[in-house]
Amino acid sequence: EAEVAQSPRYKITEKSQAVAFWCDPISGHATLYWYRQILGQGPELLVQFQDESVVDDSQLPKDRFSAERLKGVDSTLKIQPAELGDSAMYLCASSSRRLTGQGGEQFFGPGTRLTVL
Amino acid sequence: QQPVQSPQAVILREGEDAVINCSSSKALYSVHWYRQKHGEAPVFLMILLKGGEQKGHEKISASFNEKKQQSSLYLTASQLSYSGTYFCGTVVFNDYKLSFGAGTTVTVRA
Repeated sequence: EAEVAQSPRYKITEKSQAVAFWCDPISGHATLYWYRQILGQGPELLVQFQDESVVDDSQLPKDRFSAERLKGVDSTLKIQPAELGDSAMYLCASSSRRLTGQGGEQFFGPGTRLTVL
Repeated sequence: QQPVQSPQAVILREGEDAVINCSSSKALYSVHWYRQKHGEAPVFLMILLKGGEQKGHEKISASFNEKKQQSSLYLTASQLSYSGTYFCGTVVFNDYKLSFGAGTTVTVRA
């Protein structure tokens, strides 16, 4: 069964350092999402890609976060510099539907748990 | 735009039923339900697109009242495997991104 792949699974870093997370969506899925999930809360959308284009990044802290999906396949989310408040689970999801409102199921990857010391 | 879920947590014995509610202050286009087990990724359960629509996944079903902007998830004859945190996600008209509630933690005991 096709799955969304993410790496690393765990990352521990010191504040002010740079970190990067990688996501490989299910083959053929045009839509890719990055979510942040703080312990005890639901996932919060950071950025949504449609192929290689950003559709929504209104919740992305652009002073320190960046995301790219250069060839419309895999994606990288970067934080520079990391802050203590960035400690969370970063989830990647993909969907075959082009718009969330069309009812497309989102398939989530296992996530990267980030701890900032 | 984050939906409100209730209750925050529920403890059940195997075979018991439970209802999880999800409500929004905005007009909803769709409601999505996911279950997340500890340390794992959220797993899709179902999407509800139309008013009054009901769907089912094993013995888990849901309804969507678009007039009240509410959805309910019904866990019937709960099994140990139903334990986890259930999230509702809502899509609002003219926004079309998924906003998740804070989750309801379900614990099913033998």
